[in-house]
Amino acid sequence: SQQGEEDPQALSIQEGENATMNCSYKTSINNLQWYRQNSGRGLVHLILIRSNEREKHSGRLRVTLDTSKKSSSLLITASRAADTASYFCAPNSGYSTLTFGKGTMLLVSP
Amino acid sequence: GAVVSQHPSRVICKSGTSVKIECRSLDFQATTMFWYRQFPKKSLMLMATSNEGSKATYEQGVEKDKFLINHASLTLSTLTVTSAHPEDSSFYICSASPPTGTDTQYFGPGTRLTVL
Repeated sequence: SQQGEEDPQALSIQEGENATMNCSYKTSINNLQWYRQNSGRGLVHLILIRSNEREKHSGRLRVTLDTSKKSSSLLITASRAADTASYFCAPNSGYSTLTFGKGTMLLVSP
Repeated sequence: GAVVSQHPSRVICKSGTSVKIECRSLDFQATTMFWYRQFPKKSLMLMATSNEGSKATYEQGVEKDKFLINHASLTLSTLTVTSAHPEDSSFYICSASPPTGTDTQYFGPGTRLTVL
């Protein structure tokens, strides 16, 4: 398994603004997944994008994938205070195990 | 969606004692479960892959005798931290994948272990 690298490490925005975080990886993938972790809690699966997809939406989430650049982005639109959490990407090359980077810590202020 | 539970959610123990953490898949069967460890403000570190009916596969640097894993059924895996020491204090999280072929893992809520 390979580890994704999230950027930025931390992001602080106001409620209502959009939040964009990026993920880079090194080798080819079958799919890439985004997870959220609230402080002191387990991870929650947000969205999965396959290697043959370029963009995917789920509610206020929009994920893009550029396999030529080996990168993905997660956009949260109209952010809310409840979106405050750490966000992790997990590039999956076909193995069952996932490896996580340090994540992006998002703080949404009211 | 698939639900994974962990018990206990928090445990404080004395140095030298052993602590067992349970991970259950509530609405699906999982032949494979995963155990992670997370240090404060750090990413999750995969400790081992728990295989139902066979020995766990440990990642490099993880002591097998220190972290005992038993996957006794298709819905239950246990992690026992033996002879716990303060440096074992951490947040332990398990996960499991339903047999749907999407590689999506569902995570338990985690167990906060504090060793005094």
